[in-house]
Amino acid sequence: GQNIDQPTEMTATEGAIVQINCTYQTSGFNGLFWYQQHAGEAPTFLSYNVLDGLEEKGRFSSFLSRSKGYSYLLLKELQMKDSASYLCAVRDSNYQLIWGAGTKLIIKP
Amino acid sequence: TAGITQAPTSQILAAGRSMTLRCTQDMRHNAMYWYRQDLGLGLRLIHYSNTAGTTGKGEVPDGYSVSRANTDDFPLTLASAVPSQTSVYFCASSEGTSGTDTQYFGPGTRLTVL
Repeated sequence: GQNIDQPTEMTATEGAIVQINCTYQTSGFNGLFWYQQHAGEAPTFLSYNVLDGLEEKGRFSSFLSRSKGYSYLLLKELQMKDSASYLCAVRDSNYQLIWGAGTKLIIKP
Repeated sequence: TAGITQAPTSQILAAGRSMTLRCTQDMRHNAMYWYRQDLGLGLRLIHYSNTAGTTGKGEVPDGYSVSRANTDDFPLTLASAVPSQTSVYFCASSEGTSGTDTQYFGPGTRLTVL
């Protein structure tokens, strides 16, 4: 079966750094996506990785290791507005996205 | 640009009734998707359409049907609603289905079946 694992919830302090991990087992791999979803809102695209390594976008970075079936999303200089759920999704051999349940990130002042 | 719109925003429906959730995009994207999102679970694909005139079944298609008569619209129909279909429904679209094609989501429809 196909499986995406992420921690259910994480807490971090404003101004700090947090790393959200994602491990996956899927039938094929055609890229990994990270989305942000604020409560009651739609998911919005954050990052895409298809090759091993780190992709940096401002305060957000995403890392991929295909051999380990592992990715992480790194958020720096945390702000209160970063309180949201972060969804990991893998595009499988059928080019469909398989989604993790998401990690709820709570930012404390 | 509106992007993707969904209607209604929310709905309470009696079990056994039928309902159509509407989805319209103005980005001329080829591919469109319907997902449901339930607490503690990831987004689950109900149906998809890679291009106008074609549709396919996702992970959880039972009890739902779709049509794609044109590029912009992708309605989802529940023929006879059951309480287990209580969920938040998201419509999404992408330019294509490969490479870096990113899915963009509508605001969602919150459906309660009683």
